[in-house]
Amino acid sequence: EAGVAQSPRYKIIEKRQSVAFWCNPISGHATLYWYQQILGQGPKLLIQFQNNGVVDDSQLPKDRFSAERLKGVDSTLKIQPAKLEDSAVYLCASSLVPGSQEKLFFGSGTQLSVL
Amino acid sequence: SQKIEQNSEALNIQEGKTATLTCNYTNYSPAYLQWYRQDPGRGPVFLLLIRENEKEKRKERLKVTFDTTLKQSLFHITASQPADSATYLCALSPRGSSASKIIFGSGTRLSIRP
Repeated sequence: EAGVAQSPRYKIIEKRQSVAFWCNPISGHATLYWYQQILGQGPKLLIQFQNNGVVDDSQLPKDRFSAERLKGVDSTLKIQPAKLEDSAVYLCASSLVPGSQEKLFFGSGTQLSVL
Repeated sequence: SQKIEQNSEALNIQEGKTATLTCNYTNYSPAYLQWYRQDPGRGPVFLLLIRENEKEKRKERLKVTFDTTLKQSLFHITASQPADSATYLCALSPRGSSASKIIFGSGTRLSIRP
């Protein structure tokens, strides 16, 4: 079974530039999550999708972050404009049980460095 | 305030010994608690889930306990091996919250020396 795919693996940008991350969850997993993991901390949820609808985006900084999952499969997370404090690993995860965060499957993440 | 705490200092264990990692929480009532393993440069990998009405769960060399009175979960690796070296994260889901309100601890780095 293929895992959660993410790209790119690394990205270095200047502050105020924009960046986009892509995620393809495990086939058949209806629920998709984007997490931000700052060095030395645990993952923090940014947004949760159920199929192509947003379930929870309460912790997403909407003035600069946006995410979409148009066809209910793969998803894109965008930051525009980026700030220094956005330097982190951005993890995508999916789960088999709709709406549940039990047993999450994570991708390897995109490590973002904002200079 | 609500907190979920794991030992921030790395845990160094001799191969073959039992490693015990702690996850403490305050001002939460978890419906269930999960443990994940994270290797450098990789995403977390699910290991075990224990529910509030369960005291203990086992999987091969892994054991998790959940004490809602002490507000603590312990994660044990018996007969530890160097390949068990990684960061271990606990994550709790508060009872009564929406399914999205899962909170991760900051993790404990475990090193098993040969």
